[in-house]
Amino acid sequence: DIVMTQSPDSLAVSLGERATINCKSSQSVLYSSNNKNYLAWYQQKPGQPPKLLISWASTRESGVSDRLSGSGSGTDFTLTISSLQAEDVALYYCQQYYSTPRTFGQGTKVEIK
Amino acid sequence: EVQLAESGGGLVQPGGSLRLSCAGSGLSFRSYWMHWVRQAPGKGLVWVSYINSDGTTTRYADSVKGRFTISIDNAKNTLFLQMNSLRAEDTAVYYCIRAADSGPYDIWGQGTMVTVSS
Repeated sequence: DIVMTQSPDSLAVSLGERATINCKSSQSVLYSSNNKNYLAWYQQKPGQPPKLLISWASTRESGVSDRLSGSGSGTDFTLTISSLQAEDVALYYCQQYYSTPRTFGQGTKVEIK
Repeated sequence: EVQLAESGGGLVQPGGSLRLSCAGSGLSFRSYWMHWVRQAPGKGLVWVSYINSDGTTTRYADSVKGRFTISIDNAKNTLFLQMNSLRAEDTAVYYCIRAADSGPYDIWGQGTMVTVSS
């Protein structure tokens, strides 16, 4: 199984400041035949299901704020919130869908400082 | 509106059974793979099972293999998870999810809570 490790487990950022979440996979999730990274980011708020934010490591879903961006390739990925707003307070998960079982990171809690 | 709606959760004793359902509206299961993912209280997300669009391919997490069975009724746009020999560690919110083959989880249900306790 591919192990996904996020860092940090939690972070507190001032409103308007940048938040950065890292995700590392135990093996590459880059599929060489199509040069795509099978890596997604989800946001979960209390009492709600997760919501897909970014797929293929860097493709923002329709309706997702352009303050959120994904980057990285192979085994190292980053979710960046460029200017933290109150509505960004949530848990964030990375997930690989390169192989079964599809595994998630342990989650990163983002709060306002 | 595109949505998935789970039902069938509840309180069950260890060793008991439950059958979860997931009804899709505003969308079709055809050409998609349907997954179940669970989240224990205060914990992270764990993949449980998937089934392909015609029901010919299924996979299970090792922790539920032999106890859970996933199935699909495309005519009724409904996904099922039959859960037998339930254990305390199966206690979780169970989410029904749609994904394109080898794609991310783009549509999630609201989840249904399963509690296994005596």
